[in-house]
Amino acid sequence: DVKVTQSSRYLVKRTGEKVFLECVQDMDHENMFWYRQDPGLGLRLIYFSYDVKMKEKGDIPEGYSVSREKKERFSLILESASTNQTSMYLCASSAHLSVNNEQFFGPGTRLTVL
Amino acid sequence: AQSVTQPDIHITVSEGASLELRCNYSYGATPYLFWYVQSPGQGLQLLLKYFSGDTLVQGIKGFEAEFKRSQSSFNLRKPSVHWSDAAEYFCAVGGDNQGGKLIFGQGTELSVKP
Repeated sequence: DVKVTQSSRYLVKRTGEKVFLECVQDMDHENMFWYRQDPGLGLRLIYFSYDVKMKEKGDIPEGYSVSREKKERFSLILESASTNQTSMYLCASSAHLSVNNEQFFGPGTRLTVL
Repeated sequence: AQSVTQPDIHITVSEGASLELRCNYSYGATPYLFWYVQSPGQGLQLLLKYFSGDTLVQGIKGFEAEFKRSQSSFNLRKPSVHWSDAAEYFCAVGGDNQGGKLIFGQGTELSVKP
């Protein structure tokens, strides 16, 4: 079974702090994704990566950056957290580009920015 | 533009009753279609997917979905709902020209009355 893990289930940070959300997958997947989930808006793609050190912006990249130094790990960085970044953050991974789009999700990190 | 619409934000059904959750998509090429379920406080779990072939697909937990190209729909059904089916359900679309990305609907929250 594919396993996607996220470093924290719940996180509380202060406005202006730098925040790191970590995601690790154990199935040697090429693709990794970061989404934020807000009520009534579904899942919105922040960034994705299709290879080590490669990244592409999703629909809502503003205020975020990412890092992928190793194939199994994909980090989401909030350079200076703001209250409007309070949300549920979901990481996902999938096998090679366009061969199989099925994504496997981690349990999510609920981030509160005070 | 590519999009997924789930017209029902919240649905309540009685335990044992049948269920249909609606999903309409707009996609320029051959779509890959997915239904995911998210239990409270959890990540997303794949229920079923359609890539090609038989337009009626069976999934886990007794769910099925029917792809209707003429109606651009992929509705999810279950003949008899159990209390444990209470969750949020997401429809998603992807394809060969999406670079591994999925587009998600807004989600439908299902409540089950005893």
